[in-house]
Amino acid sequence: KAGVTQTPRYLIKTRGQQVTLSCSPISGHRSVSWYQQTPGQGLQFLFEYFSETQRNKGNFPGRFSGRQFSNSRSEMNVSTLELGDSALYLCASSYGQGTNTEAFFGQGTRLTVV
Amino acid sequence: AQSVTQLGSHVSVSEGALVLLRCNYSSSVPPYLFWYVQYPNQGLQLLLKYTTGATLVKGINGFEAEFKKSETSFHLTKPSAHMSDAAEYFCAVTAGGSARQLTFGSGTQLTVLP
Repeated sequence: KAGVTQTPRYLIKTRGQQVTLSCSPISGHRSVSWYQQTPGQGLQFLFEYFSETQRNKGNFPGRFSGRQFSNSRSEMNVSTLELGDSALYLCASSYGQGTNTEAFFGQGTRLTVV
Repeated sequence: AQSVTQLGSHVSVSEGALVLLRCNYSSSVPPYLFWYVQYPNQGLQLLLKYTTGATLVKGINGFEAEFKKSETSFHLTKPSAHMSDAAEYFCAVTAGGSARQLTFGSGTQLTVLP
């Protein structure tokens, strides 16, 4: 069974540009969550999608957005990139909404903003 | 709201020595607790989780953790460190049983000395 796949693995963008990151969850998983990891702020929750609906959102500006498709694949978009957006972006998938679920993480996308 | 505090951002142990990584949590509802490990340039891998039931939880790679409600702690231990255990370890908490929105501690970098 394939794990969580994130593409691309590495990305370099210029300040002011926008970027789209992709996440393919484990087959059968309907929930996808996104996290930002930086040396200064650590791991922070961005948002979570379940069945194409955003269920939860972290404390990030509106420049950060996402969506989920009918096949559960998810994308996150960051517009008007800032230097501080440089981070490892991690996607996690879970089977359902019930208790005792487990989040499986992808290897992440390393975004560098120059 | 939940929060996690990991005491010690860096821990060094000798190969074969006891590993003890500390985690204290704060939660207004019964918590679900997790330990994840991250190797360089990789995503997060679940080591173990506490949901309900037995307070001593055994995980992969010989790790275990004990949930102590009276101390609001969930420390991670391993009797004998191996060189391959060198990595960063994260404690995380969530409420309501789902791992879809995790609150992480700041992480502990474990170094294993030969």
